[in-house]
Amino acid sequence: DVKVTQSSRYLVKRTGEKVFLECVQDMDHENMFWYRQDPGLGLRLIYFSYDVKMKEKGDIPEGYSVSREKKERFSLILESASTNQTSMYLCASRTPGLGGYTFGSGTRLTVV
Amino acid sequence: QQPVQSPQAVILREGEDAVINCSSSKALYSVHWYRQKHGEAPVFLMILLKGGEQKGHEKISASFNEKKQQSSLYLTASQLSYSGTYFCGTETNDYKLSFGAGTTVTVRA
Repeated sequence: DVKVTQSSRYLVKRTGEKVFLECVQDMDHENMFWYRQDPGLGLRLIYFSYDVKMKEKGDIPEGYSVSREKKERFSLILESASTNQTSMYLCASRTPGLGGYTFGSGTRLTVV
Repeated sequence: QQPVQSPQAVILREGEDAVINCSSSKALYSVHWYRQKHGEAPVFLMILLKGGEQKGHEKISASFNEKKQQSSLYLTASQLSYSGTYFCGTETNDYKLSFGAGTTVTVRA
């Protein structure tokens, strides 16, 4: 089974800090994704990547950037954290051949 | 644009059936269904491709009406383990998967 690991389960950061959320998958998947999950809004796509050094904006990319230097690692960066970025962040990778997504256990980020 | 799911919540007794609907305003390439239990990550249930297919997973099945851009998830003879929040994800030709707001299912003994 695919394993998607997010480095932190809980994070508390101050407004204006630069924040890095890390995600690693162990199956050499090409497609990886970052979502944020908020009550009543479901999961919203922030960024995704088809391969190393490739990235595409999702539905809510403002205030975020991503990095994919190695196939197994996809990082989400909050350039200057703000309180409205307090949320649960979920990373996912996709099984090739129109497979489903495997999600990490999430990082609950609180910006104070 | 996010798909619209209905209902927002449903409460069932064990053994009862339920239907969750998902609709999109865009032409869809596929529809995914996931279940998330409290405090856990969403778990993939099934994917339906355009072509109007129907799939099943235990007593949970789904259909996809490509012409109407709608999908339905059917929970048959519900069990306690079916409780959770169900999300549909709709995929367009740009391979972006957009999720609905979710349907919370509570199954009671």
